[in-house]
Amino acid sequence: DAGVIQSPRHEVTEMGQEVTLRCKPISGHNSLFWYRQTMMRGLELLIYFNNNVPIDDSGMPEDRFSAKMPNASFSTLKIQPSEPRDSAVYFCASTNSPGAGPAYKTGELFFGEGSRLTVL
Amino acid sequence: GESVGLHLPTLSVQEGDNSIINCAYSNSASDYFIWYKQESGKGPQFIIDIRSNMDKRQGQRVTVLLNKTVKHLSLQIAATQPGDSAVYFCAENMDSGYSTLTFGKGTMLLVSP
Repeated sequence: DAGVIQSPRHEVTEMGQEVTLRCKPISGHNSLFWYRQTMMRGLELLIYFNNNVPIDDSGMPEDRFSAKMPNASFSTLKIQPSEPRDSAVYFCASTNSPGAGPAYKTGELFFGEGSRLTVL
Repeated sequence: GESVGLHLPTLSVQEGDNSIINCAYSNSASDYFIWYKQESGKGPQFIIDIRSNMDKRQGQRVTVLLNKTVKHLSLQIAATQPGDSAVYFCAENMDSGYSTLTFGKGTMLLVSP
């Protein structure tokens, strides 16, 4: 079975350029997460979608970051303009939460292999 | 098992030993805890979870212990193998309704043959 697919795997860009990261979640999953990983701050949740609707974007650093999920099989994370401090590995993860509420919480997120972003 | 600056805490063990990785979580209201393993160059991978109404849960070669009194979580790996070498993260869920996770900084486990 195909897991979560992210592209590109590596991106090197110059400060000020627009960066778009892409994610295809596992088919049938209704929840999608974008995380950012750095040595200093570890894994940080950026945004969470449930049934294609953004539920919690409080982790999005600032207005330069935006995320969309136009359908159940695709999501993008865009940084415009990019800055050197955005350099990190960006992970997309998906899972299936059959409902909202404590009984439906799952900790089993399926992560992609990440997109390593370097902004010069 | 908390990180300091740029350096991850590291646990070095010999193949066949039992390993214990510790984690102090932050929120006394958290009711659900998970351990993840991350190998170099890959995304985190789910290992085992435990809800706050339990204090122990066992899986295949792994056991998670939860002490809510001191907000402490541990992962025990029996008969550690070189393939267990990775960074291990504990994560907590503080949201009453959704599956959002807050991750700790991680502990690196190095297993020598």
